[in-house]
Amino acid sequence: ILNVEQSPQSLHVQEGDSTNFTCSFPSSNFYALHWYRWETAKSPEALFVMTLNGDEKKKGRISATLNTKEGYSYLYIKGSQPEDSATYLCAFPPDTGNQFYFGTGTSLTVIP
Amino acid sequence: EPEVTQTPSHQVTQMGQEVILRCVPISNHLYFYWYRQILGQKVEFLVSFYNNEISEKSEIFDDQFSVERPDGSNFTLKIRSTKLEDSAMYFCASSVQASTGELFFGEGSRLTVL
Repeated sequence: ILNVEQSPQSLHVQEGDSTNFTCSFPSSNFYALHWYRWETAKSPEALFVMTLNGDEKKKGRISATLNTKEGYSYLYIKGSQPEDSATYLCAFPPDTGNQFYFGTGTSLTVIP
Repeated sequence: EPEVTQTPSHQVTQMGQEVILRCVPISNHLYFYWYRQILGQKVEFLVSFYNNEISEKSEIFDDQFSVERPDGSNFTLKIRSTKLEDSAMYFCASSVQASTGELFFGEGSRLTVL
């Protein structure tokens, strides 16, 4: 079992604040790192799939960076809005096999 | 937009009973997965399925569990004799590629074992 850690576990921010959180994963046998957004009562939806060290991906106000050598990825949200409230999960598929190891998630609440 | 659908959304069963959870993955996807989340815990991998056979399974996926793709569209998870600790949200997912293909999840089936 591989250890994928996310921090913080939960976060409350005011509308308009920018925020970021971390996913750490084993730096050996890296193949890809996924970020998912999971709103209450819905299914997780993919945000990013990152594969290259130094990768930076952006979707609207959300962006992510990847450091495969040290084994971490950051997710940034610029100017948080109430609709950004969700749990953000990272998932790590090692290069052996195709199972994904999920972090515990960061629960974000954006207060209007 | 194509989506993964799961039925039932919620099932309550007695311990020892058999349960079948059904999933219809996205039609052009090749990899299929079952995950579960016990309340308050991490999402856990159960099994992946490719080319009509199990490609990988976790230690959770013991002899009580089985998967099938009976007709080319449905992907089912069977639990033969449910235990209390099988109570969880079960998610089906599918993807075009392994590892680098994003997972498309269904909305989950909540299983409650009494």
